[in-house]
Amino acid sequence: QSALTQPRSVSGSPGQSVTISCTGTNSDIGAYYYVSWYQQHPGKAPKLIISYVDKRPSEVPDRFSGSKSGNTASLTISGLQTEDEADYYCCSYAGGSNFGVFGGGTKLTVL
Amino acid sequence: QLRLQESGPGLAKPSETLSLTCTVSGDSISSRSYYWGWIRQPPGEGLEWIGNIQHSGTTFYSASLRSRVTISIDMSRNQFSLTLSSLTSADTAIYYCYFSDGEPFVFDFWGQGTLVTVAS
Repeated sequence: QSALTQPRSVSGSPGQSVTISCTGTNSDIGAYYYVSWYQQHPGKAPKLIISYVDKRPSEVPDRFSGSKSGNTASLTISGLQTEDEADYYCCSYAGGSNFGVFGGGTKLTVL
Repeated sequence: QLRLQESGPGLAKPSETLSLTCTVSGDSISSRSYYWGWIRQPPGEGLEWIGNIQHSGTTFYSASLRSRVTISIDMSRNQFSLTLSSLTSADTAIYYCYFSDGEPFVFDFWGQGTLVTVAS
């Protein structure tokens, strides 16, 4: 059982927006702004797309955005494209030397 | 451009010790205050952070694996390594090496991963 809770799957049509939630506790997401998101295509390594709740690496399209409220973080993908179909994982610092607790992952299907 | 490449045995036996190496190219492993680490993913499942090391040799490990894990660094070979002892089938996973540029809470770039199967 993962430390953070994500929906197993979400879906959307090209051009639409989807939001993936990630629920933790006041010991991880609720306590720190060290929430990151990773995109993983089948058979590939995960790729960082959001760090520090809402910061995007320069090479990541601005269609990807992150936010946090209380113990829940969210990833929003606007203007869905077929290449966005992938698994998405959230991750949070959880104090001490526990640098990364992950969610179970969400499979995004672009219909 | 920084590149990470994992290497090691694809098959290991229960109760034995696994050793994996991550070879870094495109930059010196000691040139900056990076954190170098390992994350694993059982087939079809989610991600689990294992631990990391700085070029100073300071290490941090997941509480659940701390008793079985050692991460070391070899600056002369531009490599860092993972050893995991007392293997069980639950250790079957894709093992990824990664680096964090600055803060240890963000896993900036990952290797392609190597599958390790624990079976007799």
